[in-house]
Amino acid sequence: NAGVTQTPKFRVLKTGQSMTLLCAQDMNHEYMYWYRQDPGMGLRLIHYSVGEGTTAKGEVPDGYNVSRLKKQNFLLGLESAAPSQTSVYFCASSYPGQGLSGNTIYFGEGSWLTVV
Amino acid sequence: DQQVKQNSPSLSVQEGRISILNCDYTNSMFDYFLWYKKYPAEGPTFLISISSIKDKNEDGRFTVFLNKSAKHLSLHIVPSQPGDSAVYFCAASSHGSGNTGKLIFGQGTTLQVKP
Repeated sequence: NAGVTQTPKFRVLKTGQSMTLLCAQDMNHEYMYWYRQDPGMGLRLIHYSVGEGTTAKGEVPDGYNVSRLKKQNFLLGLESAAPSQTSVYFCASSYPGQGLSGNTIYFGEGSWLTVV
Repeated sequence: DQQVKQNSPSLSVQEGRISILNCDYTNSMFDYFLWYKKYPAEGPTFLISISSIKDKNEDGRFTVFLNKSAKHLSLHIVPSQPGDSAVYFCAASSHGSGNTGKLIFGQGTTLQVKP
């Protein structure tokens, strides 16, 4: 009963290094999202995808890239890490909302990233 | 521009009493609202939701109220239990054209329920 799985859980990067966060979901969800959580800022949407092969920018996309090559996977890349990208990153997924029921999205457990 | 605001960073209540968490939004296109609960070192988990066609939704000890004219919603927890101590996030979405399902979150309110 995995749900949404993120790897790695913890990572320390040096400024300028690159890395990729991997998200996998086993619920056959169409939609996937990457959020970051910072103190006092809540959860902010970085990028999202409404289907395999599609991606779109969220509220805070700068400095990040994403890819959705397979329906079950959503990758978040940092090409040149900066200290401002120190945060907790959450991946999430959902089915498209039906009628007025809207979307309930399901989150992974988070990835703690520190950029020094 | 914060479209969803939770103006109280923290709330402390006594076990057995009512907890009321508040949330305001500015975008009149929002038509679906949710509350998520988050424990430390875990991902947020869905708690309860409400569509804009309703003004109240109840699930056990949790009730969400929506006041569309005031662009305000609140989460009531009765009775509050120590296990309810967590960060609560309000979130909103809009179906609109090209429904993408993305949620806009508030800053969160940390609830502490004292035994």
